[in-house]
Amino acid sequence: DAGITQSPRHKVTETGTPVTLRCHQTENHRYMYWYRQDPGHGLRLIHYSYGVKDTDKGEVSDGYSVSRSKTEDFLLTLESATSSQTSVYFCAVWEPSSGNTIYFGEGSWLTVV
Amino acid sequence: AQSVTQLDSQVPVFEEAPVELRCNYSSSVSVYLFWYVQYPNQGLQLLLKYLSGSTLVKGINGFEAEFNKSQTSFHLRKPSVHISDTAEYFCAVSERGDYKLSFGAGTTVTVRA
Repeated sequence: DAGITQSPRHKVTETGTPVTLRCHQTENHRYMYWYRQDPGHGLRLIHYSYGVKDTDKGEVSDGYSVSRSKTEDFLLTLESATSSQTSVYFCAVWEPSSGNTIYFGEGSWLTVV
Repeated sequence: AQSVTQLDSQVPVFEEAPVELRCNYSSSVSVYLFWYVQYPNQGLQLLLKYLSGSTLVKGINGFEAEFNKSQTSFHLRKPSVHISDTAEYFCAVSERGDYKLSFGAGTTVTVRA
């Protein structure tokens, strides 16, 4: 599992509140990603990072921001949560040096009420 | 940018019967291709991947997939399924050197006795 930990694993929050999800990895992977999973859409890329302070937008980035101040942590922030952001969020890391292996975290279930 | 189409959203199959899950991708450059499985309320597990070389790729749990460049396809097969293969299956593609993974919408496989 490449030492990936997501927190919190489950959260219920109210519309309009900010929410931060954390992805922590212990093996110094350079590439990190945040995806959201919704029925009928598979996984869609929100933001990604190619290194410390090097981040970029994915296909569904509106309403989300990220930060990566340390190699091991990639934070996803919902600036003002909306019901459409109710989803399962997955963090992933890509390790090119080990056969292009991509590891996923166990997911964070977020409900916005 | 690459995209992925999984041609079947749901595939019902009887135990011990063969199954094929179809995946087509669009990209103008060389790609890496992946199949993942997701059991209920769990994360994603890699079944197999194509990076280069032989177009027939063997994965875990008896699954295999064939890369067809001319048809831009990467179909997943298993000759005899078990009840435990009931899950959602995702095809994913990345353009070489891009380090971003795009997913299909998923295929739900339901194995019946």
